[in-house]
Amino acid sequence: GAGVSQSPSNKVTEKGKDVELRCDPISGHTALYWYRQSLGQGLEFLIYFQGNSAPDKSGLPSDRFSAERTGGSVSTLTIQRTQQEDSAVYLCASSLVGVQSTDTQYFGPGTRLTVL
Amino acid sequence: GQNIDQPTEMTATEGAIVQINCTYQTSGFNGLFWYQQHAGEAPTFLSYNVLDGLEEKGRFSSFLSRSKGYSYLLLKELQMKDSASYLCAVTGNTGKLIFGQGTTLQVKP
Repeated sequence: GAGVSQSPSNKVTEKGKDVELRCDPISGHTALYWYRQSLGQGLEFLIYFQGNSAPDKSGLPSDRFSAERTGGSVSTLTIQRTQQEDSAVYLCASSLVGVQSTDTQYFGPGTRLTVL
Repeated sequence: GQNIDQPTEMTATEGAIVQINCTYQTSGFNGLFWYQQHAGEAPTFLSYNVLDGLEEKGRFSSFLSRSKGYSYLLLKELQMKDSASYLCAVTGNTGKLIFGQGTTLQVKP
C-alpha cells in the first residue's frame, strides 16, 4: 500500500482481556516503531524493530506489553491483561533505513484503544 | 536526561505569522523533526533540521541552533486548516525520536 496501515482503527475491551494491534508498514521500509499517545500528551516510544536485529524494547511500560514483527514486515503489538491506564492511541511508524540515519518516520492512522 | 519543551497552546489570526518554539536537552544530537498532527489523525512530517540555520518549505520554515538547543517552526500566511498540534522531536545518541508534548495551535478568523 501507499502508506502505513493499522488495524483495528478502534478497539474497546474490558479490563483484564488481551488485545492485539496490527501494523502494516510501507513496503520496503526496514524500520518499524510503535508509540503510544495518551489524550493531550506527546508520543511515547514503545518499541523499535530494525531489519533482523533484536528489537529495542526499552520503551515498553510493563511485561504485559510485547511486540513481534514477522518476516520483516507486519508487526503485532500485544497487550495482556489490559488495564484502564492502557487506554490511548497506539501509533505505528515506519522508515526506510532506521534510527541511525535519522530518516523520516511515516505514521499510520493509529488504533484507539479503550479499556473499560 | 532528555527533555523537550514546547508551549502547550498558541492562538493566532488567519493571515498572520506564528512562531512555535522548541528547546531541547538530549544526550547527543542527530537531528530535529517537526510534525503536524490534526485532531484524531496521525502525525505528518513537516521538516527536518540537522545543521544550524533556516530551512524553508513554502509557508513553513524551521530554524535550528544546536549550540543553544533551540528550534522554531515558523508558519506564514496562516490558514484555518493550520489549526493542529505541532510536535517537535529530537534524535539523540540512541537514534530514537524523542517527542515533546506538542503545541496546539488555534487559528481564528
